Amino acid sequence: AQSVTQPDIHITVSEGASLELRCNYSYGATPYLFWYVQSPGQGLQLLLKYFSGDTLVQGIKGFEAEFKRSQSSFNLRKPSVHWSDAAEYFCAVVAYNFNKFYFGSGTKLNVKP
Amino acid sequence: DGGITQSPKYLFRKEGQNVTLSCEQNLNHDAMYWYRQDPGQGLRLIYYSQIVNDFQKGDIAEGYSVSREKKESFPLTVTSAQKNPTAFYLCASSIPLDSSGANVLTFGAGSRLTVL
Repeated sequence: AQSVTQPDIHITVSEGASLELRCNYSYGATPYLFWYVQSPGQGLQLLLKYFSGDTLVQGIKGFEAEFKRSQSSFNLRKPSVHWSDAAEYFCAVVAYNFNKFYFGSGTKLNVKP
Repeated sequence: DGGITQSPKYLFRKEGQNVTLSCEQNLNHDAMYWYRQDPGQGLRLIYYSQIVNDFQKGDIAEGYSVSREKKESFPLTVTSAQKNPTAFYLCASSIPLDSSGANVLTFGAGSRLTVL
């Protein structure tokens, strides 16, 4: 069965520091991978996606993620965090030509001034 | 602007009552979805529909029902059979992004249901 694990429930970083949010997936074939961000009481916004090709993908708001097949990981990174990045982040996977998305349990990011 | 509209934003229900959450999209997307979000559990799929007049159960469909009579609309009814309905409900839609069939989800702003 497909699954997504985000091992960190909460992360706190100082403004200006670098950030890495971890995501591991379990899926038999090559997955399609996503990162979404959610502000409190709001819907989810797509940050970036990986379908194929270059394993380092760039997204909005200065985020990037790297697909590592050998580690079944798709970690999200940002070189310098801004206070406005405080939110909850979700990793998701979907099978090829299939409409069921599987989401991780989310990582809440706090940003210290 | 195109998007997904969910209503109401907040809804309170007494135990034993059915409630219907509205989801309307003007993105011309074929597929629509309902997710339930609980703290610490991520998003769980309730129902999804790939075309009009057709829908499939997701992972937690018990106690819920849907209809898809129009492409733009995918209402969710939370019935009295749902034992723990207090949650945040998210509607989403999608079209295939490319010829590989990989979809990208677009979400509404959500509806928070509280059972009193």
